[in-house]
Amino acid sequence: DIQMTQSPSSLSASVGDRVTITCRASQSITYYLNWYQQKPGKAPKLLIYTASSLQSGVPSRFSGSESGTDFTLTISSLQPDDFATYYCQQSYSTPLTFGGGTKVEIK
Amino acid sequence: EVQLVESGGGLVKPGGSLRLSCAASGFTFSNYAMNWVRQAPGKGLEWVSSISSSSSYIYYADSVKGRFTISRDNSKNSLSLQMNSLRAEDTAVYYCARDWGSGATTGYFDYWGQGTLVTVSS
Repeated sequence: DIQMTQSPSSLSASVGDRVTITCRASQSITYYLNWYQQKPGKAPKLLIYTASSLQSGVPSRFSGSESGTDFTLTISSLQPDDFATYYCQQSYSTPLTFGGGTKVEIK
Repeated sequence: EVQLVESGGGLVKPGGSLRLSCAASGFTFSNYAMNWVRQAPGKGLEWVSSISSSSSYIYYADSVKGRFTISRDNSKNSLSLQMNSLRAEDTAVYYCARDWGSGATTGYFDYWGQGTLVTVSS
């Protein structure tokens, strides 16, 4: 199984900050990496698919990039609505696997 | 508007069974692969099972293989998850999720239901 390791597990940031979350795959998954946002008590929401494609309706302050087996989600200017937990997920092979999550909290 | 509505969750004793359903609307259900993803209380997301648009391809997480069965009825726009031999560690919110691709399975999920809670406890 492909293991997805996210870091950090949590972070504190202020509105307007640039935030970066990293996800590392245990083996090559090419660009089959996706990012979701989840707020408490709600279903996850797809933000980025195939490493860098922005899902329809998602603000352009969200972006994704890849470097080998390392993937990054960047929020260019954190907004109040962005405080949530973020998960990466590989869709390269089954079993599909998620990272452990990164909780973004208000500083 | 795409809608996915799960039902069937509840409290069940260890070793018991439960059947979850997901009613889909607002899109051509038969064109999309569908999935179940779960989340234990206070924990992260765990993929459970996927079924292709025509039910030709079915996949399970090792943790549920042999105990859970995914199925779909394209004539009724519905997805099901039959869960047998339930364990305490199956306690979670179960989400129904649509695959992003129409006509092709992508493995990522663009629409999710609100979830249904399954609690396995004596």
